[in-house]
Parts: sequence; structure tokens; C-alpha cells
Amino acid sequence: GAGVSQSPSNKVTEKGKDVELRCDPISGHTALYWYRQSLGQGLEFLIYFQGNSAPDKSGLPSDRFSAERTGGSVSTLTIQRTQQEDSAVYLCASSQGGSSSYEQYFGPGTRLTVT
Amino acid sequence: GNSVTQMEGPVTLSEEAFLTINCTYTATGYPSLFWYVQYPGEGLQLLLKATKADDKGSNKGFEATYRKETTSFHLEKGSVQVSDSAVYFCALKGDAGGTSYGKLTFGQGTILTVHP
Repeated sequence: GAGVSQSPSNKVTEKGKDVELRCDPISGHTALYWYRQSLGQGLEFLIYFQGNSAPDKSGLPSDRFSAERTGGSVSTLTIQRTQQEDSAVYLCASSQGGSSSYEQYFGPGTRLTVT
Repeated sequence: GNSVTQMEGPVTLSEEAFLTINCTYTATGYPSLFWYVQYPGEGLQLLLKATKADDKGSNKGFEATYRKETTSFHLEKGSVQVSDSAVYFCALKGDAGGTSYGKLTFGQGTILTVHP
């Protein structure tokens, strides 16, 4: 079946602009995660959605970052007033649940470049 | 908080050499441990996992044993191939009820290059 998809695959934006990154998880997966991969910081957790529970936002680096998940499926990560340090690959993952029994399947990522 | 420390890379080996990539962790309770691999031009994928102490995860000739006494989860392969060239990430997930439940905490990644 289809895996996790993300769009766009690449995004170049000017400093100060807002961007939206989209994630389509695997159908039926109740858990959805956003991570960021950058040269300086490695792979960092950003936010985690599990079913109808309140999301775990503990990894969001600033209040410029927000995410929502509509209808328990598609998720959008929004970065407002982008800065150059936001340049990274943003990865989305989904799993059948939050337990370690369930593998997290990663999407191909969105490469964000802030100029 | 939880953390994962991986052996610094990059690692360069000849084909059929023995591979070890060290990984140690800091966590409360009983986390689950994972190795993920990212092949050139591909997405991150799970290589193997272990969910309790003394468990051994294995896949594609790779192995790692969950050692709680040394808080380690070292990755090994007896004979590497050129096709194993990739970036390898050690990761942990906190146990149920903890504040880090669900999310993965990753090490910094180790670049492996295998030459023919």
C-alpha cells in the first residue's frame, strides 16, 4: 500500500515568510509525528499526535512553529516568519499507535531552505 | 531527559570487514531501543529493535543487544557489503506513562562507507 507522503519535496522561501508543510500518513495509522533533520542538530522530535488526545508539542523550538491534524489524518506543519536556522529536512512519520510494538514509517521529507 | 550518544563517524570499511557502531543511552524506566538506517537518496527506515533488557534485535545480518547494565545497544555486522553504505541512527522511545512516550530520541547518526 501507499506509504507516508509529504509535500512539497523541496521548498525555498525568503526569510520572514510563512510556510506550510503537508503530511499524508498511512491510512488507518492513529499516531503521527513530525521530526526535523539538520546538520547542526541531527534528528529532533517536534510534535506527536495520537488519536484524539492533545498533541505532545514539547519538541517545537519556538512559538513560530505550529501543527494541526485534521480529521485524524492529514497533518500540516506551519512555520511563521521563517528564519535561516529553520532550514532543514522536515520528516513526518506515522504508526498504528504510540506503543513500541508499532513501527514508525517515515516519509521522504520536505527540504526547506530559507534564504 | 532522554538522550542517545552514538559513535562518532564517519566509518570507512572494506567489504567483508566486521562492523561495530557503538550506542549508549540515558533514560528513566524501560525504554525501547531502535536502529534506523537511511540509504543514499532514501527515507529513514527501521533496521531492528529491542523492547526489553537482554533482547537481541536482528535484520539483514545486523544485530544489536539491549544491555541495561551498560545502557548500550551497539550495532554489529560480521561481514559488511558495499550496499550497507548508509547513515545509521540509534534511537530510543520512552516507556508507557513517561513524558517521552511515543516519540523517538535519536543519536547524531554515523555515516558508514564500505569500499569494494
